[in-house]
Parts: sequence; structure tokens; C-alpha cells
Amino acid sequence: GAVVSQHPSRVICKSGTSVKIECRSLDFQATTMFWYRQFPKQSLMLMATSNEGSKATYEQGVEKDKFLINHASLTLSTLTVTSAHPEDSSFYICSPELYGGEQYFGPGTRLTVT
Amino acid sequence: GENVEQHPSTLSVQEGDSAVIKCTYSDSASNYFPWYKQELGKRPQLIIDIRSNVGEKKDQRIAVTLNKTAKHFSLHITETQPEDSAVYFCAASNSGYALNFGKGTSLLVTP
Repeated sequence: GAVVSQHPSRVICKSGTSVKIECRSLDFQATTMFWYRQFPKQSLMLMATSNEGSKATYEQGVEKDKFLINHASLTLSTLTVTSAHPEDSSFYICSPELYGGEQYFGPGTRLTVT
Repeated sequence: GENVEQHPSTLSVQEGDSAVIKCTYSDSASNYFPWYKQELGKRPQLIIDIRSNVGEKKDQRIAVTLNKTAKHFSLHITETQPEDSAVYFCAASNSGYALNFGKGTSLLVTP
């Protein structure tokens, strides 16, 4: 497998504020990082795909100006939820792509917007 | 794009029985089919995967079968134990692209 860390694991923020989530690959270099979102009792939905050094590609329905993704290095990708609202409350998980398409997930960040 | 259907949504079995979860996919270009187990509040954990050049793969009590012609793949868990209780997700992808997930199956194994 692959070792992936995510920080913070849990965050509670007030509506209108921004939250940054960090995803680190600890034992390998990730050229591509996938960001998923999972609402309670639902499946994982891809939000965006980022490649190191270039702009992220967002899935339909995901606002790129609201969910800012930065993949500045091969070991760090960040997701910033700007002007968060209660409907953004979810479990956010990063997943670096490994050789052959295998994906292992970070531990996730549970965001609660009050 | 890829569409992955997963059935059943819930499955209850008695300890020691077998459990089978089935998935279908739509994109014939998909060539990687992993299965994940997710416990409450935790990340999905890869439990087994199969690639399109293989028809079946087994790892102890877990096996996965793939029928490329019919575009379906299945997870088989034998001799189920209470600790197998979790939500299981199938997924499909074309290597190098993101995973497309099924909606999940909530498995309950009762003692």
C-alpha cells in the first residue's frame, strides 16, 4: 500500500469562513491526486483531479472557485473550501494515484460547517 | 462516462455463511476493478482488486470474479465473521483515471 496523511482529521468552522485541508503522500511521489467527497451514507464522488504543477480538473457541478486545489509538489496537495456553508459539510478524502491505477485513500477530513 | 451499479444495497447474513455483492459497469475501456471496505467514520480500505486480463482472484476468504463480456464483477466473502460487517464499495476505472464507485453495500454479519 501507500502511506497518505491528511490534516486536519476533523474541523468545525463557521459559515462563511475558509478551511484548508492538506494531503501528504509520505512514502512516494504522487503526480496525480484525486479529491473525493462523501456525504453521510453515500458513496464517494470525485470532485477534482490535480496534477503536480498544473491546474486541477473539476468534475461537473463542482465549483472551482469554491474548492481551490493546489498541487505544488509531488508530496503535497491541498484543498481549500472557501466561504464554506452548511451544505459543504462532508467527508473529504484525497487519493494519490499509484502505478497501474491503484488508489489508496488518505484518512479523510470530516468538515462540519455551522 | 463510466456508470457503476452495485447490488444489493443492504445484505444481512449469518456468521459462517457466504456473502456476494455484484457490480456492473458501462465503459468497456475500464480495466481496473477494486473493492473497498469502509467502516463507520473511516477511510475506504482496499481489500482486493482485479484487472481486466484476469477472470478471478482470491485472497483467503475473499474472491473477486470478472466477466468482461457481460461487464460485471462480483465480490465473494466466504465464512463470514461479524468483523466483516461494513460498507463495501466496488469501483471501476481506466488506469490513470479516477475511480467510479458503486453506491455501496451495507453488509451485516450476525452471530
